[in-house]
Amino acid sequence: EVQLVESGGGLVQPGGSLRLSCVVSEFTFRNYWMHWVRQAPGQGLVWVSRISNDETSIAYADSVKGRFTISRDNAKNTLYLQLNGLRVEDTAVYYCVRGRPLANRGSDCYLDYWGQGTLVTVSS
Amino acid sequence: DIQMTQSPSSLSASVGDRVTITCRSSQSISDDLNWYQQRPGKAPKVLIYAASSLQSGVPSRFSGSGSGTDFTLTISSLQPEDSATYFCQQNHITPFAFGPGTKVHIK
Repeated sequence: EVQLVESGGGLVQPGGSLRLSCVVSEFTFRNYWMHWVRQAPGQGLVWVSRISNDETSIAYADSVKGRFTISRDNAKNTLYLQLNGLRVEDTAVYYCVRGRPLANRGSDCYLDYWGQGTLVTVSS
Repeated sequence: DIQMTQSPSSLSASVGDRVTITCRSSQSISDDLNWYQQRPGKAPKVLIYAASSLQSGVPSRFSGSGSGTDFTLTISSLQPEDSATYFCQQNHITPFAFGPGTKVHIK
């Protein structure tokens, strides 16, 4: 069974940093594009970032550009999100998500497997 | 950036009812539109991809349609387990925006 397990969340003061990790299993990680999606308490889903399988294509939401960095280690089956310059409005559950390719449509067409999420709380 | 809107923001319907949720994008996204269901306390789950393709394992009472800027998710016969929030999401171009969600309540 495909699994994605996030870790690294916690309580941090404004301006602080955290590094989120997502360890995956039961699929060939190096073949898939991966995403981070977040959800503030009681709010909707917000796409945060995406990385291609070979790290050549990376994209960010405007709200995190310049502060967050996505990366991956295909040898360790692990996705990362480095969060710097954290703000109160970054408080959310952060989900690690797999991008599903479709033949003749591209490498990253929908989000098919989600982790259980890790909570990041930014507060003084 | 592409903006996504959904209507209604919430609805209440009875078991067996036909339910339709609408999603609109701020510019044409072809059929690069997906639908997700999120039950309370759980991670989202994909229902429909590429506007109208049913994800494996999803009940056939769920269907999607549309292209360009206007899309719909239909539940043909609402079941108690369909009580959830439904989100549309465009994957036409990054940033891959989600709609604000539609909360479905069972009467």
